[in-house]
Amino acid sequence: QKEVEQDPGPLSVPEGAIVSLNCTYSNSAFQYFMWYRQYSRKGPELLMYTYSSGNKEDGRFTAQVDKSSKYISLFIRDSQPSDSATYLCAVNTNAGKSTFGDGTTLTVKP
Amino acid sequence: EAQVTQNPRYLITVTGKKLTVTCSQNMNHEYMSWYRQDPGLGLRQIYYSMNVEVTDKGDVPEGYKVSRKEKRNFPLILESPSPNQTSLYFCASSFGPGHQETQYFGPGTRLLVL
Repeated sequence: QKEVEQDPGPLSVPEGAIVSLNCTYSNSAFQYFMWYRQYSRKGPELLMYTYSSGNKEDGRFTAQVDKSSKYISLFIRDSQPSDSATYLCAVNTNAGKSTFGDGTTLTVKP
Repeated sequence: EAQVTQNPRYLITVTGKKLTVTCSQNMNHEYMSWYRQDPGLGLRQIYYSMNVEVTDKGDVPEGYKVSRKEKRNFPLILESPSPNQTSLYFCASSFGPGHQETQYFGPGTRLLVL
């Protein structure tokens, strides 16, 4: 069983929709929770980073972590065609181990 | 300009011919890490280093070696590459696992092993 499971997608939504992306993890040792955006043939770009349960908001993006359920989510409000990309969740331990989900490809149609 | 550089960016090689992919950062970061990415999969951690002379295995270390003799450099060595190591490789650095906001990724190295 993978340590991080990400809803696979792909996901296709109309412009302006609210997008929900989700991951679960299995190891309580993971202390840091990230969401990355990756455009085709490019390196990942950090979108959101948190280390505690609850919500963290940055513009149209909200990251949600529930440590008791080992569940992390990313919400995108008012989605734009430029949000079309692959989104990766990732978790880290204090010791430096880093595990990524397999990614969800999002297409936002004008 | 703050950056992580990788060389080469593209490489075609043959099975068994030793190669090194270099990674260098100019931000005085303690933490560096190597990942590989295959189609349909997220990044998988190969090795990471919390500081000079400190390295640890990630999830897929088989067939790879690393060294961290200087803070800025973290080369990835394939002593005897095989076709299953054909992949896209990323190097990343930051001030540590609890400082993801400082993280930078390199541009990637696309490796083909024939």
